[in-house]
Amino acid sequence: DAGVTQSPTHLIKTRGQQVTLRCSPKSGHDTVSWYQQALGQGPQFIFQYYEEEERQRGNFPDRFSGHQFPNYSSELNVNALLLGDSALYLCASGGGRNTGELFFGEGSRLTVL
Amino acid sequence: AQTVTQSQPEMSVQEAETVTLSCTYDTSESDYYLFWYKQPPSRQMILVIRQEAYKQQNATENRFSVNFQKAAKSFSLKISDSQLGDAAMYFCAVDGQNFVFGPGTRLSVLP
Repeated sequence: DAGVTQSPTHLIKTRGQQVTLRCSPKSGHDTVSWYQQALGQGPQFIFQYYEEEERQRGNFPDRFSGHQFPNYSSELNVNALLLGDSALYLCASGGGRNTGELFFGEGSRLTVL
Repeated sequence: AQTVTQSQPEMSVQEAETVTLSCTYDTSESDYYLFWYKQPPSRQMILVIRQEAYKQQNATENRFSVNFQKAAKSFSLKISDSQLGDAAMYFCAVDGQNFVFGPGTRLSVLP
């Protein structure tokens, strides 16, 4: 039973570029959430996708966008990268409603130069 | 809005001893869940223990237990018989409207 998988594990971009991160949820899960974790801090909620729609969103600018595919996998896109976007991006999957455990991937480490 | 506060940025414990990590939270939801997650250097967040707010009995998972004080909105984690493998960042989280994490406590286990 595959857990949550994310790609790439590491990547380096320059300011102004765009990045796409990918996530496959745990088998049987239809909800995907994305979090940004700056170094030494707790994860910050970006948004959640369910049934291919953005259901909830945290306090992140429109430069952060996402998508969920019919197979429940998801992408996180960040446009016009800033130095402050450097962080670990975590994907998590759970059931149809966030009333239980979230299962996390190992994250994608983004460095913006 | 939901908030989670962890007032101890760092803690240390001697191997085989007991340590308690503190967490306070705020939520307007009447039905919610509380969690402690562990994040070792490998980065992957791992669930340690979960508490449903409507249950008065404190959750226990082997060496891990919580002290849930609903009125005080307090949710502390006790680790008994600490092991070297317990060294990690520990995050408290509340799930009401959505998942909100605290800033974390870095736990060191001394041999």
